[in-house]
Amino acid sequence: EPEVTQTPSHQVTQMGQEVILRCVPISNHLYFYWYRQILGQKVEFLVSFYNNEISEKSEIFDDQFSVERPDGSNFTLKIRSTKLEDSAMYFCASRLGQGKAGELFFGEGSRLTVL
Amino acid sequence: AQSVTQLGSHVSVSEGALVLLRCNYSSSVPPYLFWYVQYPNQGLQLLLKYTSAATLVKGINGFEAEFKKSETSFHLTKPSAHMSDAAEYFCAVSVRLKTSYDKVIFGPGTSLSVIP
Repeated sequence: EPEVTQTPSHQVTQMGQEVILRCVPISNHLYFYWYRQILGQKVEFLVSFYNNEISEKSEIFDDQFSVERPDGSNFTLKIRSTKLEDSAMYFCASRLGQGKAGELFFGEGSRLTVL
Repeated sequence: AQSVTQLGSHVSVSEGALVLLRCNYSSSVPPYLFWYVQYPNQGLQLLLKYTSAATLVKGINGFEAEFKKSETSFHLTKPSAHMSDAAEYFCAVSVRLKTSYDKVIFGPGTSLSVIP
């Protein structure tokens, strides 16, 4: 069964360092997302990506964050200079279409720990 | 603005008892609604979805949910809880914002504990 894969599963980094989280969405999906879940809290929308550009971003997604789909397969989230409060589980998701076809398929998540 | 609320951040039931997890949404347009489950240290798995067809939706693992427009609710139920149902449950709403895009918003989650 097709699935969304994310790497790394866990990354520990020092504050101020750059981090890249990688995702391989399901191959025929068109819409891509990053969500964040701080430990014990709700799943928060970060950004959506469609047709090679950002569709929408939340207020969390400031200038320290960026996304790209460099090769038509991978979908990456970069945090330029990590802060302690960036520690969270980051989920990548993809969907085939919108509306009725709008089921999000999630990866297993990448846990980021900023020290 | 669209939003999702889940009454009860934590619910405990006995094994074999009815599970009821509450979800209410706020939307000015007809929504699509989802329930996701998250087991410890795992990702999010879709349990079921409402897409404006039948108001009673059946999902995996014996769960079902009923869409009630008059109450703006989409409560999740299971007749008989199993130990393996212990997890975090998230209600989510997908609302069309533009002609080419819609966004999924999650509720705060309800942690379900099952007591033997």
